[in-house]
Amino acid sequence: ETGVTQSPTHLIKTRGQQVTLRCSSQSGHNTVSWYQQALGQGPQFIFQYYREEENGRGNFPPRFSGLQFPNYSSELNVNALELDDSALYLCASSYPADGNTEAFFGQGTRLTVV
Amino acid sequence: GQQVMQIPQYQHVQEGEDFTTYCNSSTTLSNIQWYKQRPGGHPVFLIQLVKSGEVKKQKRLTFQFGEAKKNSSLHITATQTTDVGTYFCAGRANFGNEKLTFGTGTRLTIIP
Repeated sequence: ETGVTQSPTHLIKTRGQQVTLRCSSQSGHNTVSWYQQALGQGPQFIFQYYREEENGRGNFPPRFSGLQFPNYSSELNVNALELDDSALYLCASSYPADGNTEAFFGQGTRLTVV
Repeated sequence: GQQVMQIPQYQHVQEGEDFTTYCNSSTTLSNIQWYKQRPGGHPVFLIQLVKSGEVKKQKRLTFQFGEAKKNSSLHITATQTTDVGTYFCAGRANFGNEKLTFGTGTRLTIIP
C-alpha cells in the first residue's frame, strides 16, 4: 500500500448538495494532487497543492475547491453537486524534485450524485 | 489543451501471448509515466521515462519513449493472469509542472 489514505470510501449525495473529501498524504510528501476519474476513463487533473498553496489547476469550475493543511493533508470540496460529478475521486501525494517524481495514489472516494 | 491518447482501448489476449499499448501526446512531453490500475483499484506507478529514445525494462515489461518525446509504448512479453488491468500513460508538459495528463487507457484482459 502507498500510505495515502482517503475518506470516505463511498458517498452518496443529492444534486445541489456540497461534499468534502479528505486525503492524508504519505509521510514526508508535501504535495497533493486531486483527480477525477469517470467510469471507463483516465484520471483527470483537478488541482494540486504544494505547501498549502494551490500549484496548478485543470479544467474544472470554481465550485471545485481545495485546501492543504500544515501537516500536508488535503481536502477537496465540491459545491452545487451535479449528476456528472459522479466519479471516483483520487488523491495522489508526491515529493517533487524538479518535476520528475511518481505519484502515490490513495484508494479513492467513490462519489455518487443522485 | 494537451491530449494524450492510447490505443487500443481494449485488448483480449490468450495467456502467454504478448501485449502492446501505444501512447500518443498532442504536445512534446518532459517526461512520461506509466500506471497500472486493477479492476476496482487505484493507479499504481510502474515507471518513469525522461530521455528521448529511452528504453527501460522491468522483467517482462518493456517501456519506450519516442525520439520526439511525444509517444511511448508498453510491451508485455508472455502475459500472465496477474497482468489483468488498465494501463495508463501519463505525461508532464514541462519540468516543474506537476500536472499529469493521463491517457485514455488500455484495458487488458487475459484468456486463461
